[in-house]
Amino acid sequence: DSGVTQTPKHLITATGQRVTLRCSPRSGDLSVYWYQQSLDQGLQFLIQYYNGEERAKGNILERFSAQQFPDLHSELNLSSLELGDSALYFCASSKRDKSYNSPLHFGNGTRLTVT
Amino acid sequence: ELKVEQNPLFLSMQEGKNYTIYCNYSTTSDRLYWYRQDPGKSLESLFVLLSNGAVKQEGRLMASLDTKARLSTLHITAAVHDLSATYFCAVEPMDSNYQLIWGAGTKLIIKP
Repeated sequence: DSGVTQTPKHLITATGQRVTLRCSPRSGDLSVYWYQQSLDQGLQFLIQYYNGEERAKGNILERFSAQQFPDLHSELNLSSLELGDSALYFCASSKRDKSYNSPLHFGNGTRLTVT
Repeated sequence: ELKVEQNPLFLSMQEGKNYTIYCNYSTTSDRLYWYRQDPGKSLESLFVLLSNGAVKQEGRLMASLDTKARLSTLHITAAVHDLSATYFCAVEPMDSNYQLIWGAGTKLIIKP
């Protein structure tokens, strides 16, 4: 158990809808990272937050947004969903704003299916 | 463009055999990470390699890093079925904007 908690485990929704994915980092970790993993795209970095502030952005679509709250949990909001958004979404956490010699700790992911 | 290339991307092998997965990267880095992922599951950290010549071993897996060649290897000795998984390498560039650059993963199937 990595200590990173993601909810829900599964989501099935229709195109055009909006969903929110939630992540609680490991105790003591200040950074939260969001990744998307689909069969044809591999593991894609979306966005990182450190202690409540956006730290880095990757290949995140404008339809997607995220935030990190004062209690350090994070939410990833996906809107106007398309079939191609179906994927496994992972949250990872770390203590600092960079890996700095320690690995990221991944949650179990949320599997999103858009129908 | 920063790239991390793994090969092979798919490997099917028999139990008891040895094999090596390669991870080449295009940027200057002395930090490289190996992760394991079982199908539909989370990613689990295997090794953290922090300097040129670093070698780490855990059971039948051994990872090494050659920063001059920009190459890391993950060697599997006397493979067993339980090692079947997808293995990812990730590189932390020296001039990183905080982000790891990930390889595409190597799907390893070990047949009994």
